[in-house]
Amino acid sequence: DTGVSQDPRHKITKRGQNVTFRCDPISEHNRLYWYRQTLGQGPEFLTYFQNEAQLEKSRLLSDRFSAERPKGSFSTLEIQRTEQGDSAMYLCASSRQASVGLFFGSGTQLSVL
Amino acid sequence: GESVGLHLPTLSVQEGDNSIINCAYSNSASDYFIWYKQESGKGPQFIIDIRSNMDKRQGQRVTVLLNKTVKHLSLQIAATQPGDSAVYFCAERDQTGANNLFFGTGTRLTVIP
Repeated sequence: DTGVSQDPRHKITKRGQNVTFRCDPISEHNRLYWYRQTLGQGPEFLTYFQNEAQLEKSRLLSDRFSAERPKGSFSTLEIQRTEQGDSAMYLCASSRQASVGLFFGSGTQLSVL
Repeated sequence: GESVGLHLPTLSVQEGDNSIINCAYSNSASDYFIWYKQESGKGPQFIIDIRSNMDKRQGQRVTVLLNKTVKHLSLQIAATQPGDSAVYFCAERDQTGANNLFFGTGTRLTVIP
């Protein structure tokens, strides 16, 4: 499978714990995006990378959230001191620089108890 | 900020009929509009896009119409099949070059066999 891969698919954690998600984009895509989606809503942009550089962050991305893409390939999204309001589907997408369409992974469903 | 919304949250059609899903947008500066399909438990899947200087674009069984005068976008699916049942999102791209997409709430399409 050469699509966008996300791990884990599901994560259940207790409030206050830290969690980390991983995204492996399509190999030739230099842009990588993180989105968050809650039930019944469309995905909301969080942040994006071009190669290893994080070029934009949404106001939704509080100080408890940090994303990295150290070698310009896979990316991680960490949430520290999770809150119940963090419960959502976290989607990763990738694209070529000049491409309009984003290719999404299947997401990581986070539940904070 | 941008606002992308949908007229109807749900749509039911008979198998074989044509489906029309509508979307309203508010940002005149968006350069591309994109339709995504999202099946349960999966990430959004790119269907078709249209540049802001076009009125119509056709794909395989799908047609997107753009009316910039009233800021309205529609997705037409011909000969709807059970496999078309999903949530459909319209999204608009800002022109900053980041390729970020802003999604609407979505319309759930149910195809009745």
